[in-house]
Amino acid sequence: DTAVSQTPKYLVTQMGNDKSIKCEQNLGHDTMYWYKQDSKKFLKIMFSYNNKELIINETVPNRFSPKSPDKAHLNLHINSLELGDSAVYFCASSQGQNPNQPQHFGDGTRLSIL
Amino acid sequence: AQSVTQPDIHITVSEGASLELRCNYSYGATPYLFWYVQSPGQGLQLLLKYFSGDTLVQGIKGFEAEFKRSQSSFNLRKPSVHWSDAAEYFCAVGFTGGGNKLTFGTGTQLKVEL
Repeated sequence: DTAVSQTPKYLVTQMGNDKSIKCEQNLGHDTMYWYKQDSKKFLKIMFSYNNKELIINETVPNRFSPKSPDKAHLNLHINSLELGDSAVYFCASSQGQNPNQPQHFGDGTRLSIL
Repeated sequence: AQSVTQPDIHITVSEGASLELRCNYSYGATPYLFWYVQSPGQGLQLLLKYFSGDTLVQGIKGFEAEFKRSQSSFNLRKPSVHWSDAAEYFCAVGFTGGGNKLTFGTGTQLKVEL
């Protein structure tokens, strides 16, 4: 009964490949997020969707393309992977966009680029 | 733009000792403040939050935090640390109109000596 689940948990791939990470939440939330955590543990938001609509789009290379087929799912597709993309990617969800609604995080996807 | 500073990168305490983790924020209005904990290989778990009202807030696992507007601080405390508290702790700030975008501090890694 995991609230926010991400697949895969680990992803090891070659530079230049294209890969996708999937996220699903069963909390009934309408807002979902992608965060990137670098090797120094710094967390930075990448994208946010509310009811399938893109709300936040930080300065992220356009090789990263999020897709939300419904409000319970938010996927992240990455084209032409680069060494600097190695990180842990976290999905999160909340109810609404008000900051008083805490975000619930998944366990992360550890992406390693060879 | 809002920012969060966690001055201590690493902290080591003995089991049973008290703990205080520091967090300072920069934001013009009243912020929405959060503390999250990240255990190794896990996602972020919300410990506590502050929006308004009583400036001393209680959270899970025996943690509390105090909002001090004059010092722009939101320090996390626990009177007696347990070995299982060893983890990475993140302070975060949200703000109205930001689409529930959270800005995180760089984290404090807590080590507990037995």
